Amino acid sequence: EIVLTQSPGTLSLSPGERATLSCRASQSVSSTFLVWYQQKPGQAPRLLIYGASSRATGIPDRFSGSGSGTDFTLTISRLEPEDFAVYYCQQYGHSLTFGGGTKVEIK
Amino acid sequence: QVQLVQSGAEVKKPGASVKVSCKASGYTFTDYHVNWVRQAPGQGLEWMGWVNPDNGGTNYVQKFQGRVTMTRDTSITTVYMELNGLISDDTAVYYCARWTSGWHAFDIWGQGTKVIVSS
Repeated sequence: EIVLTQSPGTLSLSPGERATLSCRASQSVSSTFLVWYQQKPGQAPRLLIYGASSRATGIPDRFSGSGSGTDFTLTISRLEPEDFAVYYCQQYGHSLTFGGGTKVEIK
Repeated sequence: QVQLVQSGAEVKKPGASVKVSCKASGYTFTDYHVNWVRQAPGQGLEWMGWVNPDNGGTNYVQKFQGRVTMTRDTSITTVYMELNGLISDDTAVYYCARWTSGWHAFDIWGQGTKVIVSS
């Protein structure tokens, strides 16, 4: 099973700042199978990025994904108030696993 | 619009079973696998497996094999997840989610069903 480790666990930032979230895999994952979700309290997750770097329908362009192999990054260029949430990465190369999540909180 | 609507919250005793439903609408039901993902209180996401609404085929995570059954009823475009032998660690919110094979991702999620296991 591929283990996804997300860091940091919590990111404290102010609106307007840039957020950089990391997702590291225990073995190589094809970019095709790397996905990012956003989850707000009391809500289901929402698909943000698929294929490591493609934005899902309706996702603002301040969200971007990058990376390959074992290291992937989700970047939020300028945080809006509605972006404070928990973010999960997911891989589907070998079975399906999620990372433990990164909470982006207001500083 | 495309949506998955789940059944309401459940409270069960240890050893009991729970069956959660997930009704699909707004798309061709048989074109997409439906998966189940659970989230324990304050924890991350855990994938449980999927059901293929077209032929009823299933794939369960090994951890849940023997305890989980995923089925579908095409006449009412609904999938079900039944979990047996409940223990306190099964207390969680259970989500159904549509798998989009082209994106290898869950693009539509149900609203979640809270299951509490308590004596």
